[in-house]
Amino acid sequence: KAGVTQTPRYLIKTRGQQVTLSCSPISGHRSVSWYQQTPGQGLQFLFEYFSETQRNKGNFPGRFSGRQFSNSRSEMNVSTLELGDSALYLCASSLAAESGYTFGSGTRLTVV
Amino acid sequence: ILNVEQSPQSLHVQEGDSTNFTCSFPSSNFYALHWYRWETAKSPEALFVMTLNGDEKKKGRISATLNTKEGYSYLYIKGSQPEDSATYLCAFRGYGGSQGNLIFGKGTKLSVKP
Repeated sequence: KAGVTQTPRYLIKTRGQQVTLSCSPISGHRSVSWYQQTPGQGLQFLFEYFSETQRNKGNFPGRFSGRQFSNSRSEMNVSTLELGDSALYLCASSLAAESGYTFGSGTRLTVV
Repeated sequence: ILNVEQSPQSLHVQEGDSTNFTCSFPSSNFYALHWYRWETAKSPEALFVMTLNGDEKKKGRISATLNTKEGYSYLYIKGSQPEDSATYLCAFRGYGGSQGNLIFGKGTKLSVKP
């Protein structure tokens, strides 16, 4: 079966711009969560969506937002990009809270 | 702020060695503990999801134990192989609110020399 698909794989943006990242979960998975990884840091939780509702949110500024559509696809938006937003952004989907997560390949965002 | 600690940060072993890593997490409000393997240039891959105190899980040469009362989990690899080289991540999930988030440790990077 198809895995978790993230687009685009790589992105270069300029400070002050905004960016939208996309994630298509495994068919049947209604939970989608987003993570940021920067050098030296573990995976930092951004937010989790379930059936189009944001269930949890991590400790990130309001510039980071997301949404989930009725087909469970999710988008993450970062406005007014800063250099420190350069990171690998991973999306993961799961069937239930008790299940493991299946991760996508990530989007590598570089802010210059 | 919830803290999930993993030790050691990195480990270099010879092929055939057995090894283990530790994950420490809050001992209160426990819901689940996840283990993932993350190979270079790939996506993190789920190994185990553990929910009960005393749980032991096994997948091939890899096994894990869980102690929720004292807040730790061990991951064991028996007879390490070069293909086991990866970063091993644990993640804690508690009950409700911000504790319902999946909080990851920074990982243990394992290198297995042939």
